[in-house]
Amino acid sequence: DAKTTQPTSMDCAEGRAANLPCNHSTISGNEYVYWYRQIHSQGPQYIIHGLKNNETNEMASLIITEDRKSSTLILPHATLRDTAVYYCIHGRTGANNLFFGTGTRLTVIP
Amino acid sequence: GAVVSQHPSRVICKSGTSVKIECRSLDFQATTMFWYRQFPKQSLMLMATSNEGSKATYEQGVEKDKFLINHASLTLSTLTVTSAHPEDSSFYICSARVWGEGYTFGSGTRLTVV
Repeated sequence: DAKTTQPTSMDCAEGRAANLPCNHSTISGNEYVYWYRQIHSQGPQYIIHGLKNNETNEMASLIITEDRKSSTLILPHATLRDTAVYYCIHGRTGANNLFFGTGTRLTVIP
Repeated sequence: GAVVSQHPSRVICKSGTSVKIECRSLDFQATTMFWYRQFPKQSLMLMATSNEGSKATYEQGVEKDKFLINHASLTLSTLTVTSAHPEDSSFYICSARVWGEGYTFGSGTRLTVV
């Protein structure tokens, strides 16, 4: 199983940037880094993914280190609705599945 | 983006009965779908990979005769929990791979066996 390491939990003040780190030292050269989040009792929601360049979309930014062994998901202005468990996963786009680690429980505080 | 529709969202069944969960890909074809199980305060665990027109591939430790998977069309995969017991109570989630978009997940099914 592709293994990632994330902090168990983090807090962030509402309106501030939330920076969620992830270590994926075993990532292979053709594997992407995916970020998903899961709000309580719902299915995981796709956030962003990248290979080696930094990526940005309407939800977040993804910063991948040059050696690709770690990455950071940035939510630029966290809201209460961003409270969720955030999962960092690495895998090939042609892979048949994604293996989830334990994720980071982000709590956005008013 | 691509949507995976999962039903029912909640189901309560008696011990010993069977429950079927449906997962449909809307507006796209999914030759492969994945079934996960999630216990409270735990991460998602892959149970099996559902392949259209062929047998499902089960992860180690998952009983194929208990968790029947059927993927008869390019837009529908079903998971049937047979002879359900209280320990099968869990949150079941399906997903499909969408080319160029990654993976999209259903909204999950909360199964409670009483």
